[in-house]
Amino acid sequence: SQQGEEDPQALSIQEGENATMNCSYKTSINNLQWYRQNSGRGLVHLILIRSNEREKHSGRLRVTLDTSKKSSSLLITASRAADTASYFCATGQGNTPLVFGKGTRLSVIA
Amino acid sequence: DGGITQSPKYLFRKEGQNVTLSCEQNLNHDAMYWYRQDPGQGLRLIYYSQIVNDFQKGDIAEGYSVSREKKESFPLTVTSAQKNPTAFYLCASRDRGGSGANVLTFGAGSRLTVL
Repeated sequence: SQQGEEDPQALSIQEGENATMNCSYKTSINNLQWYRQNSGRGLVHLILIRSNEREKHSGRLRVTLDTSKKSSSLLITASRAADTASYFCATGQGNTPLVFGKGTRLSVIA
Repeated sequence: DGGITQSPKYLFRKEGQNVTLSCEQNLNHDAMYWYRQDPGQGLRLIYYSQIVNDFQKGDIAEGYSVSREKKESFPLTVTSAQKNPTAFYLCASRDRGGSGANVLTFGAGSRLTVL
């Protein structure tokens, strides 16, 4: 089944720096989504980018999608300690269930 | 407030026992999902249901069972046949007809520990 794989597995940065996470997937998609998970909690949807879009912004989040390379990146600008969490990409095609990657654990040090 | 409620939050089970995890949503969503998450891992799909009285196996359905008798409810039973059930279980739902594509709304999760 199609699957997103995030890179790096873990990332540690200082508050105020930018954080970039990457996701690669294997098959064609309709959309790619990013979710956030605080420790021991459920996932929260952050942003969705459709296969015909190349870039999307939402507040301090910027997502890019390159369908020719089957990859996406999530940029969090001016990070804060509260951004500390795990971030997952998920790929979607039609009504089939989303398939999630293993996530990137982000630590933002104050 | 609309959302998804999972219970219990923590559950301990002895080997050989079946346990049922509850998932209730008041979002009027058609589709519901159960995922399993192991430490440091992503989410793996156990079962999903697109409409009432219908459900499909996911990637790791063995040792689990579900029912979908009501739109609002999608309970998951972890049976004694599941050899390694200790994990974090996440329930999610999706509005098939909405403009949010297949964006999922998640519950807070249930952590099952086998003693």
